Amino acid sequence: TQLLEQSPQFLSIQEGENLTVYCNSSSVFSSLQWYRQEPGEGPVLLVTVVTGGEVKKLKRLTFQFGDARKDSSLHITAAQPGDTGLYLCAGEGRGAQKLVFGQGTRLTINP
Amino acid sequence: AAGVIQSPRHLIKEKRETATLKCYPIPRHDTVYWYQQGPGQDPQFLISFYEKMQSDKGSIPDRFSAQQFSDYHSELNMSSLELGDSALYFCASSFGQGTYEQYFGPGTRLTVT
Repeated sequence: TQLLEQSPQFLSIQEGENLTVYCNSSSVFSSLQWYRQEPGEGPVLLVTVVTGGEVKKLKRLTFQFGDARKDSSLHITAAQPGDTGLYLCAGEGRGAQKLVFGQGTRLTINP
Repeated sequence: AAGVIQSPRHLIKEKRETATLKCYPIPRHDTVYWYQQGPGQDPQFLISFYEKMQSDKGSIPDRFSAQQFSDYHSELNMSSLELGDSALYFCASSFGQGTYEQYFGPGTRLTVT
């Protein structure tokens, strides 16, 4: 079974601080996706990383795919209360279709 | 831009009843996926369809069935409901088989009492 492990699972920091969330696996993935989910809502796709070593930026969010395509990170600069939410990494599982999700990182940014 | 539509958004059923959840994918998306998310858990894959054919199957109970129709919408049928079936059920869609950029709907919250 391909597993994705996220760390930390919970993170509470002050507004303006920087943070990094990690998504690790012992398996190689052809791509990894990062989603953000609000309570009671569906996950919203933030980014897909495909190439080993790839870095993508989305405003204050920087996503990196590891060179070996086994891990990814999400770095947020100058976090704001609006960044609060559940961040999920996901990659394709064995088989053609399904996504395998990490456990998620519940991020709280305090004003 | 149009998103994935799910109905109903909330559903309350009693044990042993049946439920039908509907999903309307993003226009021109031909692949639909169903996920179940329990409280405090990550989404777990149930089943997927590509061009109206089942393409992959996950941890879907035998009491559940699903299909994709000619207009690409999908329905998840759940019978003999159990308390443990209470969860958020998400539908996601994508274009093409083997693509992993899946776009999720807002979910259906099923409560079994």
